[in-house]
Amino acid sequence: GAVVSQHPSRVICKSGTSVKIECRSLDFQATTMFWYRQFPKQSLMLMATSNEGSKATYEQGVEKDKFLINHASLTLSTLTVTSAHPEDSSFYICSARTRRGRTDTQYFGPGTRLTVL
Amino acid sequence: AQSVSQHNHHVILSEAASLELGCNYSYGGTVNLFWYVQYPGQHLQLLLKYFSGDPLVKGIKGFEAEFIKSKFSFNLRKPSVQWSDTAEYFCAVNARSVNDMRFGAGTRLTVKP
Repeated sequence: GAVVSQHPSRVICKSGTSVKIECRSLDFQATTMFWYRQFPKQSLMLMATSNEGSKATYEQGVEKDKFLINHASLTLSTLTVTSAHPEDSSFYICSARTRRGRTDTQYFGPGTRLTVL
Repeated sequence: AQSVSQHNHHVILSEAASLELGCNYSYGGTVNLFWYVQYPGQHLQLLLKYFSGDPLVKGIKGFEAEFIKSKFSFNLRKPSVQWSDTAEYFCAVNARSVNDMRFGAGTRLTVKP
């Protein structure tokens, strides 16, 4: 099946620093990539949607200047958490969507756990 | 606005018991429906999906779900659960006219051996 990877899987940083998380679709080209955030014991919350070569669309309440998304190619999207604070500590999951035949299917990465001290 | 509701936050069952997890969505248009599972310490995996056709969808590991359009529901079922089914289950809806997927709050299933 299709594989989506994320790097790093876990990162610990100091408050005020920036962290970049990479999301790659390994064996397919993703028409659209999504970034989600999962707080402990809660569901996934969509943060933003990005299409290759265009600006990301952010969900209401998500600061686009804080969570920078770059979708440089059909297989790579990056999320940069700028000036991270402890409240940004969370589990970030990316997802990549591709069309196979007549249907779209979304594949999820393994997630990145961010801890901001 | 598009939303997904999962009625049960935590379900505890004994092995061999039957399972039904509720999922309702609010959206008037055409939708694609999904159930995902997240085992402890692992990432999301697709259990099953409904796009069109037969409203009774069979997925992996003996799970099935039934789409009832009139009730805006997509409940997940399994006739006999196993201890290894202990996980978090998420219902998700993708409205075909909207470019994203919305998740329910999740239901934690604990199966006692």
